[in-house]
Order: sequence, then structure tokens, then C-alpha cells
Amino acid sequence: RKEVEQDPGPFNVPEGATVAFNCTYSNSASQSFFWYRQDCRKEPKLLMSVYSSGNEDGRFTAQLNRASQYISLLIRDSKLSDSATYLCVVNYRSDMRFGAGTRLTVKP
Amino acid sequence: DTGVSQDPRHKITKRGQNVTFRCDPISEHNRLYWYRQTLGQGPEFLTYFQNEAQLEKSRLLSDRFSAERPKGSFSTLEIQRTEQGDSAMYLCASSYLGDLPGNEQFFGPGTRLTVL
Repeated sequence: RKEVEQDPGPFNVPEGATVAFNCTYSNSASQSFFWYRQDCRKEPKLLMSVYSSGNEDGRFTAQLNRASQYISLLIRDSKLSDSATYLCVVNYRSDMRFGAGTRLTVKP
Repeated sequence: DTGVSQDPRHKITKRGQNVTFRCDPISEHNRLYWYRQTLGQGPEFLTYFQNEAQLEKSRLLSDRFSAERPKGSFSTLEIQRTEQGDSAMYLCASSYLGDLPGNEQFFGPGTRLTVL
């Protein structure tokens, strides 16, 4: 079993759609959680951290369920510019583990 | 530009040759990480430094791989006797160790290695 598993994708959605990505992790001692965004042939960039209470940043909402070892990312009102690969990242001490990523394509 | 920089951006080499990559982190960052990424996969952790000390190495890092950060600033990653399976994007990231674990890592643009 992989340490961090994500929806395989790809997700192809129309502009304005709401899309949700899921991620599960195997290490129950994991301490912090993130979503990174990676554009084609570019480096990953932090999208948002994920807190136990859930957090929102504009159209993006992240949630964490420690009991189920599950993380989610919800994108509302999708824009063309949201097209990218979304990486789920789980940290234990200084050991960051990335999921394989879920590719999102938003179409006009 | 005060972000993470990597050099070279692309490297093509023949199997069996040695290659060395350089990473310059954000200047005030004390942690530096190396990752490898292949097509369709997320970055895989290779190793990390806190200042000049190499604190962890992944089992992915075979004896042919060595990394250094001699003065706690830039880092080098050397691959000896390259194999075709080493072809990948090698990403460097840096962060600042604060009070909270897992502080944001800032990535460089990567070095794309092709082994012929």
C-alpha cells in the first residue's frame, strides 16, 4: 500500500463546476498536511495547508479527518486556470510524502 | 529572484557517466531537500539537510548517489555510473525550520536528467 494515495483522475470538468479530490494516508502519526499544485513541467507550489478544523481559501476548501486518515480538497466555481495536477502531501516530522497527484482539466 | 535555483536545468548523459547537480536554496532557509520525480508520479523524497548536516536518506538513495551541503548553503547531488533508470526530474526544495513541523517547502525548477 502506498503511503499517500489519491484519486487517479484525470478529472475533466466544465468551467464553473465544483470538483472534489480525495487523499488517504497510511501513517497515523502524520503531523501536518498540505495540498500542492503542479503545472505541467513546472515545480510544485503550495496551494494550502490542511488543518484539523478544516480551512477555506477563496474557492478552495480543505478538510482533514484524522480518524479516517483522509484529506480532501474542494474547488468551487472552477476556472480554466485551475487546470493542473494537485498533489496531496503528508508530513511526519520532516519527512514529506507526496501522492502521485490528480490531474484536473477545466474546459470552457 | 530570491527563490530556489537549480543548475543545470537539463542534463543529457550517457550511461555510466557521473553527473552533478547544484541547488541554491532561499538564503534564510536552513533545511534543504532533494526529490526525484518521474512522469505521472509525485516527488519522491531522497534526502534532506538541516544546515550542513544530512539528517535523513531515503532507501531510494543507492550508493551511487551522494549529496552534500558543505557550508549549509548550496547543495550538490552527484550520481555516479548513471543508469537509464536514473532518468527523472530532480527537484530541490528548501524551508525554514520553525516551531511547527512540516513548514512550507519552496521548490526549485528542477534538473531534468536523461540517461541515454
